[in-house]
Amino acid sequence: SSELTQDPALSVALGQTVKITCRGDTLRSHFASWYQLKPGQAPLLVIYGKNNRPSGIPDRFSGSSSGDTASLTITGAQAEDDADYYCNSRDTSGNHLVFGGGTKLTVL
Amino acid sequence: EVNVVESGGDLVQPGGSLRLSCAASGFTFSSYAMTWVRQAPGKGLEWVSTISGTGGSTYYGDSVKGRFTISRDNSKNTVFLQMSSLRADDTALYYCAKGVRVVVSATQDYWGQGTLVTVSS
Repeated sequence: SSELTQDPALSVALGQTVKITCRGDTLRSHFASWYQLKPGQAPLLVIYGKNNRPSGIPDRFSGSSSGDTASLTITGAQAEDDADYYCNSRDTSGNHLVFGGGTKLTVL
Repeated sequence: EVNVVESGGDLVQPGGSLRLSCAASGFTFSSYAMTWVRQAPGKGLEWVSTISGTGGSTYYGDSVKGRFTISRDNSKNTVFLQMSSLRADDTALYYCAKGVRVVVSATQDYWGQGTLVTVSS
């Protein structure tokens, strides 16, 4: 299967830790990338590869992977982390891309 | 500074055509694949198409294959998306994004703000 599955919504208390997961068979062969999407803004890459953060992304964002599941962890969530998060990866053919359905994260 | 700016979105009738453009700057354009991703109202991100840095390889999502054509002009640092036989379910905000290598990669490190395509009579 080339589908990626995410929980539709999660919530986290301010300052606490939250893990957002992304599941799919293709993740056994390809790393996931993670994007933050806020209304009216361009999507922002937050994690890619094994566990890489682009310049400017706070170190409270981290990534991991095991088997068919990739995870984005926010350690010490801040109010500005309230957003939609999407994973993506290459599909099993390697030449097409696939996105997860997105997770709406609410910081309480 | 890397910049990616989409244009060309408009209101178009079902069955019509439209060409989107994406102007990029701040990097060696021909060294990176470029990708179009869309987001329909109230929906998630959907991969549309990717073109390699040289333009020699193109890839399409199942929902647009045969109707959309991606191309690029490396002399003008611009990528295009020619859309035809448009349907109501093509209505979306279309994003252009820069890849991290010359061939297909899941990772898109810079995105534009998007251009809105509305298909309606």
